[in-house]
Amino acid sequence: AQRVTQPEKLLSVFKGAPVELKCNYSYSGSPELFWYVQYSRQRLQLLLRHISRESIKGFTADLNKGETSFHLKKPFAQEEDSAMYYCALYNTDKLIFGTGTRLQVFP
Amino acid sequence: EPEVTQTPSHQVTQMGQEVILRCVPISNHLYFYWYRQILGQKVEFLVSFYNNEISEKSEIFDDQFSVERPDGSNFTLKIRSTKLEDSAMYFCASSRTTDTQYFGPGTRLTVL
Repeated sequence: AQRVTQPEKLLSVFKGAPVELKCNYSYSGSPELFWYVQYSRQRLQLLLRHISRESIKGFTADLNKGETSFHLKKPFAQEEDSAMYYCALYNTDKLIFGTGTRLQVFP
Repeated sequence: EPEVTQTPSHQVTQMGQEVILRCVPISNHLYFYWYRQILGQKVEFLVSFYNNEISEKSEIFDDQFSVERPDGSNFTLKIRSTKLEDSAMYFCASSRTTDTQYFGPGTRLTVL
């Protein structure tokens, strides 16, 4: 069955520290993976999609098919990065979301 | 930049009542979706809609739910007889092709 796992509910770091938000997936085929971010009281916003291989707000994510992972990384966290981060897998007309990780960046 | 909009932002209803949640997708998008998020749980897919018909639905989307695109701009989700467990945040999304989905701000539904 298709599934997305985000093992950490909460990740707390200090400003300037590196961040890695973990995402593992289960999918038989070539996955299309996304990271969405939800800032406080705002909508889900697309942060990254693996196909585009771009860096947004300093975040990058690399698809590792061997480890079935799509971890989100940023070398130096900023306070404004504090938000909920959701990894999602696209499968025939729908997104399958992970449970999300709350990132707290302390000053 | 165009955005998906949803109304109302918060809906309170009595158990057994019908509710209609409204969405205005981005204007040149062709694919429309509804998701929900029960408090403290993950975002769950409900239904996708393309070319005026449902293309996929989840097991959550039972006979109590229906979707409609009544005109060229609105996309609605109707719950015929609400239950307590329907209390959740409901998100509408749209996409131009079958890839990146753009989400609305959500409607918080509270069933009393």
